[in-house]
Amino acid sequence: QVQLVQSGAEVKKPGASVKVSCKASGYTFTSYYMHWVRQAPGQGLEWMGIINPSGGSTSYAQKFQGRVTMTRDTSTSTVYMELSSLRSEDTAVYYCARGGSADPGDAFDIWGQGTMVTVSS
Amino acid sequence: QSVLTQPPSASGTPGQRVTISCSGSSSNIGSNYVYWYQQLPGTAPKLLIYRNNQRPSGVPDRFSGSKSGTSASLAISGLRSEDEADYYCAAWDDSLSGNVVFGGGTKLTVL
Repeated sequence: QVQLVQSGAEVKKPGASVKVSCKASGYTFTSYYMHWVRQAPGQGLEWMGIINPSGGSTSYAQKFQGRVTMTRDTSTSTVYMELSSLRSEDTAVYYCARGGSADPGDAFDIWGQGTMVTVSS
Repeated sequence: QSVLTQPPSASGTPGQRVTISCSGSSSNIGSNYVYWYQQLPGTAPKLLIYRNNQRPSGVPDRFSGSKSGTSASLAISGLRSEDEADYYCAAWDDSLSGNVVFGGGTKLTVL
């Protein structure tokens, strides 16, 4: 079945970086855009950016420009999201979500289970 | 402060019909599709409505979406206890080279 499986929870100190993985299965990895969305405790959803697994092109939300890097490994059907210069406000659950096949703005039809990232000294 | 505006809460009794509104602007809802996601407590969001008013397979027809101008609505008829969840609207935004914007979410309580 189509699924996205994310890496496990992380605890990081302020100023450090974190890299979260999202392994896709059950479909052609390079045929669908992938998005990253985060959710701080008790808060709403926040879009971080998008990667095209086919060519690797990316687009990031302005808020995260300069701090986030999204990459992919087509040999393992895995996308990665790395966030640097972590601060306490980055404590959140990070989700990968499959987007459209032709339209980058299309629905997020499959979601990963989420990865909790805690930033604490 | 979310780009799309939703009421923070909504409520209804079993069997009732409730609607959740989502207000945006010409650069997002006004020119792009609207999507709705349901998030049950402690779980990842789930796609509920896509392209304004389409339901993915498996989503009951009690859920319906509509859009008019720069606003959209999610309607839930025949309310059930298992509908108690957070609901988010989303749309692509054409400003600033494009990105996805979400509403702040609406907590639906079934009384």
